[in-house]
Amino acid sequence: DQQVKQNSPSLSVQEGRISILNCDYTNSMFDYFLWYKKYPAEGPTFLISISSIKDKNEDGRFTVFLNKSAKHLSLHIVPSQPGDSAVYFCAASARQNFVFGPGTRLSVLP
Amino acid sequence: GAGVSQSPSNKVTEKGKDVELRCDPISGHTALYWYRQSLGQGLEFLIYFQGNSAPDKSGLPSDRFSAERTGGSVSTLTIQRTQQEDSAVYLCASSLVGFQETQYFGPGTRLLVL
Repeated sequence: DQQVKQNSPSLSVQEGRISILNCDYTNSMFDYFLWYKKYPAEGPTFLISISSIKDKNEDGRFTVFLNKSAKHLSLHIVPSQPGDSAVYFCAASARQNFVFGPGTRLSVLP
Repeated sequence: GAGVSQSPSNKVTEKGKDVELRCDPISGHTALYWYRQSLGQGLEFLIYFQGNSAPDKSGLPSDRFSAERTGGSVSTLTIQRTQQEDSAVYLCASSLVGFQETQYFGPGTRLLVL
């Protein structure tokens, strides 16, 4: 039973357009959410996070939106760049329960 | 001052053998985590160390897996009597304090069990 779901295994976007990566969770106890980016043969790197007391957090080209009632969060990247091509993992935590989603592979086409 | 390091970077072993994977966290980070990523899968939480507290072993898949953290720094993940399904990338991460801190990941150890 997946507690954190990323239903799109892959996404292709044209350079300069917006990339929207989605994540859904089932555990209402999750109170902190993070996005990580992973390039091949490297460990994941932290991208952006959001606490459950907020509904939006922005950092440069990256914005994370949280909809607690829908148990849904999304990562927006605008404008998308070819260097953004990677696998993006959504993660959620509640106390010592830390769960990653299966990832979405983003391809930004030049 | 470097990031999280892991060794070896690659390990090929025969089924039934024991393996040890090492993680050096970022200096000063009190929390350390082990994950594994099987082919085509997301990150699977294995174990979490916080300071000198007893580790959270809830994610270990079987009793063949164990981990220790000596002196609150370096950690070793041991897999006994390896099986082919243990083949995966094993990732270590550390964070300054605990779960709601940003985790910094190492490059991983790619384990292949033949």
